Amino acid sequence: QKEVEQNSGPLSVPEGAIASLNCTYSDRGSQSFFWYRQYSGKSPELIMFIYSNGDKEDGRFTAQLNKASQYVSLLIRDSQPSDSATYLCAVNPRNTGGFKTIFGAGTRLFVKA
Amino acid sequence: DTGVSQDPRHKITKRGQNVTFRCDPISEHNRLYWYRQTLGQGPEFLTYFQNEAQLEKSRLLSDRFSAERPKGSFSTLEIQRTEQGDSAMYLCASSPRGGSVGTDTQYFGPGTRLTVL
Repeated sequence: QKEVEQNSGPLSVPEGAIASLNCTYSDRGSQSFFWYRQYSGKSPELIMFIYSNGDKEDGRFTAQLNKASQYVSLLIRDSQPSDSATYLCAVNPRNTGGFKTIFGAGTRLFVKA
Repeated sequence: DTGVSQDPRHKITKRGQNVTFRCDPISEHNRLYWYRQTLGQGPEFLTYFQNEAQLEKSRLLSDRFSAERPKGSFSTLEIQRTEQGDSAMYLCASSPRGGSVGTDTQYFGPGTRLTVL
């Protein structure tokens, strides 16, 4: 089992729709969870981080964490063509001391105009 | 704050040659990370520094790879006797002082793309 798993996609949504991106992780003791966006040929850039169970909203983005289910998701409301990118889920597992970040392979998102 | 910088941005080398990459973190960031990323995969952790101390090194990193961070500022990653399988994007990231372990937000540099012929 991979430490961080994501559906590779591509996920295609029409402009203005809600895009839902999902991620599961294996280490139940994981402490910190991150979503990064990566445009083709560019480096990852942080969108959001979440530490506690529940929802965290920032503009059009909402991160959701369910530690019991070992599941973290990212919702993008009012999706725009500029949101088309690969979205990377990242986790800091407790068994690594908390500073070693494990990334998923990413989900490719296409927003159709 | 000019962000994390990496040099060179691109490197083409022949198999068997040594290469060295440099990373300059955001000033006053005490934590520095190196990752490797291949097409269709997420960044793969290589090593981590807190100030000048190298605290973690991936088991995936062979003895041909070495990293340093003298004086806790910039860092270098050297690959000796390069192999074609080393071709990848090498990413550096830094994170700020403060906060507890496990609450680490990392800021990535533009990466160095290595091609081994």
